[in-house]
Amino acid sequence: GAVVSQHPSRVICKSGTSVKIECRSLDFQATTMFWYRQFPKQSLMLMATSNEGSKATYEQGVEKDKFLINHASLTLSTLTVTSAHPEDSSFYICSANTRRSSTDTQYFGPGTRLTVL
Amino acid sequence: AQSVTQLGSHVSVSEGALVLLRCNYSSSVPPYLFWYVQYPNQGLQLLLKYTTGATLVKGINGFEAEFKKSETSFHLTKPSAHMSDAAEYFCAVSGYNQGGKLIFGQGTELSVKP
Repeated sequence: GAVVSQHPSRVICKSGTSVKIECRSLDFQATTMFWYRQFPKQSLMLMATSNEGSKATYEQGVEKDKFLINHASLTLSTLTVTSAHPEDSSFYICSANTRRSSTDTQYFGPGTRLTVL
Repeated sequence: AQSVTQLGSHVSVSEGALVLLRCNYSSSVPPYLFWYVQYPNQGLQLLLKYTTGATLVKGINGFEAEFKKSETSFHLTKPSAHMSDAAEYFCAVSGYNQGGKLIFGQGTELSVKP
């Protein structure tokens, strides 16, 4: 089956620093990757859609200068939280569409727990 | 526009009892419907999906869901709950012209009592 990995799984950083999260599709090529944010006991909120070789499309209310997304290859997308603050602490999850499917199935990574002190 | 409503943020059943998790959707295009399960501190795992064809969809771990267009529903069921089914369940909707974007419901936490 399609596997998506994320690295790191957990990160703790000081306020004001930047953090990069990687999302990789391990056994398929993903033209589209998605980044979600999940607060405790809440649903997933789509932050942005990342297409290989083009600029990410951000959802309304998501600061593109704060959450930098790069989709440099068909198997890798990165999310950089710039100048992180405690309110950015959250569970960040990526997902990817497999090119083999035309029915919009997404495969999710295991998530990254970000804690900003 | 699309939206999903999951009735009941928390459902508790006894081991061996029927599991019923409710999901209603709204969509201006023919919907693709999904159920995902999330275990603590993990990503989401696809349980099952409906795109076209047969309206009764069978998924992993004994779960199934039925697409009812007239009721705009896609409820998730399992005849007999196991302790290992305790998790958070999310219903989601997409469509052929949505570029793969998923709109999630609020989630339902399933507890299974011994």
